[in-house]
Amino acid sequence: DADVTQTPRNRITKTGKRIMLECSQTKGHDRMYWYRQDPGLGLRLIYYSFDVKDINKGEISDGYSVSRQAQAKFSLSLESAIPNQTALYFCATSDLGGSPAYTDTQYFGPGTRLTVL
Amino acid sequence: EDKVVQSPLSLVVHEGDTVTLNCSYEVTNFRSLLWYKQEKKAPTFLFMLTSSGIEKKSGRLSSILDKKELFSILNITATQTGDSAVYLCACNAGNNRKLIWGLGTSLAVNP
Repeated sequence: DADVTQTPRNRITKTGKRIMLECSQTKGHDRMYWYRQDPGLGLRLIYYSFDVKDINKGEISDGYSVSRQAQAKFSLSLESAIPNQTALYFCATSDLGGSPAYTDTQYFGPGTRLTVL
Repeated sequence: EDKVVQSPLSLVVHEGDTVTLNCSYEVTNFRSLLWYKQEKKAPTFLFMLTSSGIEKKSGRLSSILDKKELFSILNITATQTGDSAVYLCACNAGNNRKLIWGLGTSLAVNP
């Protein structure tokens, strides 16, 4: 089984609808992230969470909200979807590891392709 | 402002060629540099580099970091069509230890 799973894998919705993307992980990592990827713009961080009680905005959080329901679950919501939120969304996890270098390698889920019409 | 710049943006080679992908960075409190490979799905981790001059190697792929000149290279020797992908570079930096991502290099290996 995959260590980081995302549901749904594909979603088509209409402008104004509320959408929730879910992420679950079995890696036991404390840190979880939501990114969106658009052609030519690379990976951009939406929100990140370093533990269940710690949630932080990334560089493009407007129009999005998140919930960290448990160490293993981190969901992303679009309260009122708009067409420019059409993108590929990735969840990622990381752990500090045992190294003092704090390498923070991130491991990605398979992605959710969201289309807003 | 922290930034990671990759070059070239895209590259087309023939099977068997050797390629070098570049990643330069300007980040505060640099901790490590990571390389990922992204085919038509999620990025997968390749290497993490923290020290200058120490080569990381995995099969035909290798990478090295120069912390004085602030860059890293990813080499792929004897390329195969399965190496076709976008290669992403990211730096772990700052007190919050987020990753700063480059835009990637799109590599196409033709038979």
